[in-house]
Amino acid sequence: GEDVEQSLFLSVREGDSSVINCTYTDSSSTYLYWYKQEPGAGLQLLTYIFSNMDMKQDQRLTVLLNKKDKHLSLRIADTQTGDSAIYFCAEILDSSYKLIFGSGTRLLVRP
Amino acid sequence: GAVVSQHPSRVICKSGTSVKIECRSLDFQATTMFWYRQFPKQSLMLMATSNEGSKATYEQGVEKDKFLINHASLTLSTLTVTSAHPEDSSFYICSARDETPLSNQPQHFGDGTRLSIL
Repeated sequence: GEDVEQSLFLSVREGDSSVINCTYTDSSSTYLYWYKQEPGAGLQLLTYIFSNMDMKQDQRLTVLLNKKDKHLSLRIADTQTGDSAIYFCAEILDSSYKLIFGSGTRLLVRP
Repeated sequence: GAVVSQHPSRVICKSGTSVKIECRSLDFQATTMFWYRQFPKQSLMLMATSNEGSKATYEQGVEKDKFLINHASLTLSTLTVTSAHPEDSSFYICSARDETPLSNQPQHFGDGTRLSIL
């Protein structure tokens, strides 16, 4: 079955880079996504990557995809206190449009 | 951009009450909506897929008689938690599938409903 895994917690200092990792199982997913969830709120799409890409950069965000190892990462440059949140990676099942979410990584940015 | 409105944002009620949560797509039509449940410090768990004009498709282990879903129009899906009990307390999030060609967002999410059953 589908399974998406993430490390649970990451703590960084303000101004440092953060790297959040994710492994997924469905190699047929067309897109892979990163979402941000702030306390008590819904999900905000941060960025996505098409499965035939290796890297995508969008301002402070860099997504790396290793399709062979089914490994996805999100790098946040110059991390700010406002980046403190839970980050979910997700893969989409193309046949049903369902999103399968990882367990979420709680990012804490220390001043 | 596409917006999904979820209402209410917070509900506190007594055990045995039935609670209805609404999910509306404000500026686009959604034939498919999804309902998720999120326990504290956990991921989103898909409960069911709501299809306009037909029965919802429930995930394994989700009681369809407990969580009634109605998707009577292209912009509104409702989730009713029937005879709610404290173990039903959770954060419920809906989303609407974006069928716009070449859209890079598969689903647009509501802001969630925190349900607390006393």
